[in-house]
Amino acid sequence: AQSVTQLDSQVPVFEEAPVELRCNYSSSVSVYLFWYVQYPNQGLQLLLKYLSGSTLVKGINGFEAEFNKSQTSFHLRKPSVHISDTAEYFCAVSPSGYALNFGKGTSLLVTP
Amino acid sequence: DAGVIQSPRHEVTEMGQEVTLRCKPISGHDYLFWYRQTMMRGLELLIYFNNNVPIDDSGMPEDRFSAKMPNASFSTLKIQPSEPRDSAVYFCASLTSGGEETQYFGPGTRLLVL
Repeated sequence: AQSVTQLDSQVPVFEEAPVELRCNYSSSVSVYLFWYVQYPNQGLQLLLKYLSGSTLVKGINGFEAEFNKSQTSFHLRKPSVHISDTAEYFCAVSPSGYALNFGKGTSLLVTP
Repeated sequence: DAGVIQSPRHEVTEMGQEVTLRCKPISGHDYLFWYRQTMMRGLELLIYFNNNVPIDDSGMPEDRFSAKMPNASFSTLKIQPSEPRDSAVYFCASLTSGGEETQYFGPGTRLLVL
């Protein structure tokens, strides 16, 4: 079975500062990795995904993540955040791309 | 495309009542997923279908929950009888196989069981 740990439940950050949201996973098989964002009272939207190939993945809204197999991590980064990035961020893992196991989520709060 | 459509968006019911949640996936998508989101347990996969056939229902909490997909454009999640602990946001998502591996989520149904 696969599992995901999001190490921070809340991350407060000032506008235009860089941010990193941490995600670690455990799995005995190769996996696909995803980051989703959820804005208040909305469904989840895919930010980026790692299926294979380059370990640095670029997504929407200026976010990127790096797959590190040796550390079993898939941390999400953005060099400069905006107020509009305030949302809940979920890391997810899947052996197939179909059944997703989500982490508990990290609440990103961007303040002026 | 209209995206994944869920109805109702909000549902308030009393304990013991039957609740039916509905989902229309994106046209052409061959996978459909039902998730439940609560503060305590986070996002949980309940069941998913491929070409209208249930593939994995191991996440369905108990026999009070059932899901069907009678055709490629419609699925239901039914709770009978409902209990207060079923209060949650229920999401439907769909995906097309063939390399993209991206699930598209609906807006969710917020269920409150009194």
